[in-house]
Amino acid sequence: DAGVIQSPRHEVTEMGQEVTLRCKPISGHDYLFWYRQTMMRGLELLIYFNNNVPIDDSGMPEDRFSAKMPNASFSTLKIQPSEPRDSAVYFCASSRKGASYNEQFFGPGTRLTVL
Amino acid sequence: TQLLEQSPQFLSIQEGENLTVYCNSSSVFSSLQWYRQEPGEGPVLLVTVVTGGEVKKLKRLTFQFGDARKDSSLHITAAQPGDTGLYLCARGDNNDMRFGAGTRLTVKP
Repeated sequence: DAGVIQSPRHEVTEMGQEVTLRCKPISGHDYLFWYRQTMMRGLELLIYFNNNVPIDDSGMPEDRFSAKMPNASFSTLKIQPSEPRDSAVYFCASSRKGASYNEQFFGPGTRLTVL
Repeated sequence: TQLLEQSPQFLSIQEGENLTVYCNSSSVFSSLQWYRQEPGEGPVLLVTVVTGGEVKKLKRLTFQFGDARKDSSLHITAAQPGDTGLYLCARGDNNDMRFGAGTRLTVKP
């Protein structure tokens, strides 16, 4: 299995630009999670989906952030407009219903820098 | 305020030394997970502890869940440079995973 795939691995953009991060979960997994990691705040859950439906988006910082999961094998996290404080590593993770205590498998992350 | 408090925040030791890192909470949780994250990668699950007082061993790593299920520790025996990384604890009561800030461990050869 290829594991969770994220793209791009690195993104550098200017303030005000739209940024789209992409994730392909592990085949057969029905939960998908988006996290943000910074030195100051650690690893924060932004939103998670079950069977392509958003379940909890209380961690999404503000309306500039949106996430979609149009099908079981693809999800996007969009920031529009981006701001320097959005600079962080964004992780996607997936898990399978019934798996032992919700073990999550993380992708390699997208390092976002907003200038 | 972190739901899970991890200590120490940073730890730098020599190869061969032993170490213990801690994860504490004011809340009881039904299970706790430990992850290790290496530079440039996502976290990888090491272990899940469920029962109060439970001890699990993974080679040179020993994980303990407190009797009251509010705290946990990770002990590494004879640390090696390959143990370098960020150690995160997370509560896994449901799919709303919450992580501690982590302990950043450096093992020098």
